[in-house]
Amino acid sequence: DVKVTQSSRYLVKRTGEKVFLECVQDMDHENMFWYRQDPGLGLRLIYFSYDVKMKEKGDIPEGYSVSREKKERFSLILESASTNQTSMYLCASSFGGPTFNEQFFGPGTRLTVL
Amino acid sequence: AQSVTQLDSQVPVFEEAPVELRCNYSSSVSVYLFWYVQYPNQGLQLLLKYLSGSTLVKGINGFEAEFNKSQTSFHLRKPSVHISDTAEYFCAVRFAGGTSYGKLTFGQGTILTVHP
Repeated sequence: DVKVTQSSRYLVKRTGEKVFLECVQDMDHENMFWYRQDPGLGLRLIYFSYDVKMKEKGDIPEGYSVSREKKERFSLILESASTNQTSMYLCASSFGGPTFNEQFFGPGTRLTVL
Repeated sequence: AQSVTQLDSQVPVFEEAPVELRCNYSSSVSVYLFWYVQYPNQGLQLLLKYLSGSTLVKGINGFEAEFNKSQTSFHLRKPSVHISDTAEYFCAVRFAGGTSYGKLTFGQGTILTVHP
């Protein structure tokens, strides 16, 4: 069964802390994505990766960085968390290639920054 | 600019009634179209997709959607809803061309609430 897991369902951090959100997929997918979900705004792409150590900025990369050292793992890093980064974070993965391949989503991490 | 708009933020409906969730996009290039569903406290799950061919697409759980190129729309329909269809629904578009690596642009979401 296809599976994307995220390290935490709920996370509470303080302003200025460094925050790591981890995502692991077991489907040997080339592509991995980090989205942010906010009410009324839908999902917005933060960063994506199409191969190990490769990454590209999405639509809202400011304040975030990512790391992909292994094919199955994609980390989202908040270098200095701020209250406006309180949100639901969703990870997804898909096969690569020229045609569209379905993105499979993890359950999400709800991050609260106090 | 390329964008996706879901015209209704919330749609309340009674059980066994029909429902339509509306989605429009803005693009001058070819598109691939998708509907995802998010049940409470879960990730997103693909309902259906349009890549090419017949403009009427059938998905899981009795949902279907029709691609209308002239109106740049991809509305989701179900003839008779069930309580278990209560969820948030997202329209998503992949705009063709470039090296997008399968990047999707999502609409704002529509919360469907089915009442008994």
